[in-house]
Amino acid sequence: SQKIEQNSEALNIQEGKTATLTCNYTNYSPAYLQWYRQDPGRGPVFLLLIRENEKEKRKERLKVTFDTTLKQSLFHITASQPADSATYLCALDNNFNKFYFGSGTKLNVKP
Amino acid sequence: EPEVTQTPSHQVTQMGQEVILRCVPISNHLYFYWYRQILGQKVEFLVSFYNNEISEKSEIFDDQFSVERPDGSNFTLKIRSTKLEDSAMYFCASLLDRRYEQYFGPGTRLTVT
Repeated sequence: SQKIEQNSEALNIQEGKTATLTCNYTNYSPAYLQWYRQDPGRGPVFLLLIRENEKEKRKERLKVTFDTTLKQSLFHITASQPADSATYLCALDNNFNKFYFGSGTKLNVKP
Repeated sequence: EPEVTQTPSHQVTQMGQEVILRCVPISNHLYFYWYRQILGQKVEFLVSFYNNEISEKSEIFDDQFSVERPDGSNFTLKIRSTKLEDSAMYFCASLLDRRYEQYFGPGTRLTVT
């Protein structure tokens, strides 16, 4: 069966450090992989999208990598700030207008 | 910046009652979605809608659920006979094209008692 795995344990880091979150998937061949931020009680907010033929994408302090051989995406936040504290979700498009989300990783950035 | 809106923000209903959750997607978007998120759990796909018809649905989206785009702007999710386990946040989302981002609404918290 199809599965998307994100580290369910919270990631605690110090302000200014780089946070790295992992998304692993099995039994998919997604055309696109997306990363979202979700704050408690709010809807997911889109951050970055990466295509299957792209290795890396950057936006300001954010960087996403996509390795279709390893079936893994890494999401990096550099120079992290307490305001970056949230749950980060990865999502895959199954090529048929259906999106699957991981359970998310909670990031805590301590001042 | 354009945004997806949803009403109501919170709906409380009794088991067995019908509810309609409403969404106004971004006006030029072509693809529309409903998701649910049970408290503490992951966002789950329910249904996608394109060109005035359902294009994909999940196993959760059974005969108790239906979607409509009645007037070219609103997008609704109806649950015919609610169960306790339907209690969740329901998110609507829209996107212009699969190559771009999905925009999510703020959600409707549905509580079934």
